[in-house]
Order: sequence, then structure tokens, then C-alpha cells
Amino acid sequence: QSALTQPASVSGSPGQSITISCTGTSSDVGGYNYVSWYQQHPGKAPKLMIYDVSNRPSGVSHRFSGSKSGNTASLTISGLQAEDEADYYCSSYTSSTRVFGTGTKVTVL
Amino acid sequence: QITLKESGPTLVKPTQTLTLTCTFSGFSLSTSAVGVGWIRQPPGKALEWLALIYWNDDKHYSPSLKSRLTITKDTSKNQVVLTMTNMDPVDTATFYCAHATLYYYDGSGYSHVLDYWGQGTLVTVSS
Repeated sequence: QSALTQPASVSGSPGQSITISCTGTSSDVGGYNYVSWYQQHPGKAPKLMIYDVSNRPSGVSHRFSGSKSGNTASLTISGLQAEDEADYYCSSYTSSTRVFGTGTKVTVL
Repeated sequence: QITLKESGPTLVKPTQTLTLTCTFSGFSLSTSAVGVGWIRQPPGKALEWLALIYWNDDKHYSPSLKSRLTITKDTSKNQVVLTMTNMDPVDTATFYCAHATLYYYDGSGYSHVLDYWGQGTLVTVSS
């Protein structure tokens, strides 16, 4: 069970849109519509931003959206804001367990 | 309001067994389709899923760590305990517990989302 692959870093200017990819296999991302995304600020616990590929929990900004194609899931942040600067992790269900991604540091320029 | 909090030693010696307790409120582990999971994060590194226990006492473990992990629950105390044996310095990490909402059973287990997390507790392994 290998970690899902994410780019190490993504950056954008305020107001821009950025997309973070999360690549797995047919045993995880490609096999289930159970991909989640978490935001983690330094020294804080992860916060659920997206679940089941594209669903937002109550209270999460509409600027965050998720999608999936084949073995790759994506998180898009539109209208980038300074407060979006954080680490982001994807996670996929896989046969009774979950696997996390390698993590992406988002920098707001 | 769902809250979780991890507790346990901050320092353990190599080869020792780590025991962590997750104390929660705002839900019951006797309610169907509910679980509590454990996740760890070494300093500066990625999250790693460790274990999950369901309301019906079914348990699932990370395949790579299964031989070292045990997860149990005490429904009356609203607590879940994780033990990890034979600790090594590479096991130094922040350990989180999280509420899991379970939904579809696919034959091997329930798909789940870890939707509420504790603040985490840093465990250092050093002699």
C-alpha cells in the first residue's frame, strides 16, 4: 500500500486558481469514489475540506472543489487567499483501510 | 459538537510499547456506522493511516504495521486505545485520533471518512 503521489509544492497569486493532483492506482483512487482532501496549517490538526471526491463539509468555502479522472484526483482552489497557504493531503479508501498522499505545500505569492 | 483528545507519554524508549488513549465526546461508539481511527505524522512528513475500530468492534490495521498495532475501545468511558509495540526512533511522530463516519460495506470493510480530528500528541522515541 504505497502513498498517493502529490506534487511537493504549488504556488499562486491571490485571486488565482490552483490545482493539486493526487495520483494513485486502480486499487485506491481509481477503484473508489472515496477520495478526501485535508488542509493542514503548521502545528495544527488536518481539517477535512473535501470528501467522496467532490463533496464539501458544512462550513468549507465554495472556493474548494474536487474531481477525479481515472487514477488521479484533483483539488482546485479558486480565488486563492492568503489563508489558503498550508499543506494539503489527499486520501483514498482502499480495501478497509485508507492511504494518504505525500502532501503538497501551497504558497500564496 | 464532536471533540477528540489524545493522551499518553511524550517520550518512550526504543523497544518499549506505546499506549495512547483517545477520549472523545459528542458521539457514542455504540452508534452504528461510527468508528474511531488513528493516524500519525512524523515531523515534517506526511500523514499515515494506522488503524480503525468500528462501533461493532471490528478492527482494521495498516498492512505494514499490523503486527505491531492493537486498537481497542471502552464504550462506557468514550475512549479508544492504541498500542504500538517495539517502538523505534523512526516511529517518532504526532499521533492523531479521528472520528470516522462509515458508509458502504464492500466485503472487506466499510468505506469511511475521517471527519473530526483531535489536536494530536507528539511522541518521541529516544533512549
